Amino acid sequence: NAGVTQTPKFRILKIGQSMTLQCTQDMNHNYMYWYRQDPGMGLKLIYYSVGAGITDKGEVPNGYNVSRSTTEDFPLRLELAAPSQTSVYFCASSSGTGDRYEQYFGPGTRLTVT
Amino acid sequence: AQTVTQSQPEMSVQEAETVTLSCTYDTSESDYYLFWYKQPPSRQMILVIRQEAYKQQNATENRFSVNFQKAAKSFSLKISDSQLGDAAMYFCAYRSASAGGTSYGKLTFGQGTILTVHP
Repeated sequence: NAGVTQTPKFRILKIGQSMTLQCTQDMNHNYMYWYRQDPGMGLKLIYYSVGAGITDKGEVPNGYNVSRSTTEDFPLRLELAAPSQTSVYFCASSSGTGDRYEQYFGPGTRLTVT
Repeated sequence: AQTVTQSQPEMSVQEAETVTLSCTYDTSESDYYLFWYKQPPSRQMILVIRQEAYKQQNATENRFSVNFQKAAKSFSLKISDSQLGDAAMYFCAYRSASAGGTSYGKLTFGQGTILTVHP
């Protein structure tokens, strides 16, 4: 199993550009999450999904969109990139929500908007 | 809403010694889970230890142990016999035990503590 994979690893965007951060998991997990980590801070939830076709907002959803057409994939779309979106983005997945259901994290995407 | 606070931005320890990282949280729920994650320079998030709120016994994983004080809403991590490989950012995290509602298993993280290990 590759676990949770994210592409790209790094990206520099100009203000106003758009891009999609890819996330794929091969563990057949229903629950998937997108977090962002600002410098020196903890992770904050952007969006989450409890299964294919079902998504909802987290704490900091503004400026982002998601879709979940398959169990494996959970892409995060940035429209009209702004400097405030400079951050490291983590995708995570889990098979359940109890304590024994560990969230598995991808390696992260470092995004810089200039 | 739940909040998690780590009041120590940075800590340091000598190799082979013991260090304790602090974490407090605020919640109105009675059932929840607490976690410590390690983030080395590679950025990979690694689960170190977990604690169920309904268990009074403190969790232990090899050199890592916690001091869980539910009434005080405190959840500290003790690292014994510190090793150079323990150097990383450590995050305390909270997860509701509620299966649905607005939580859906999301993690709420503290701000992190950077741990430096001196040889």
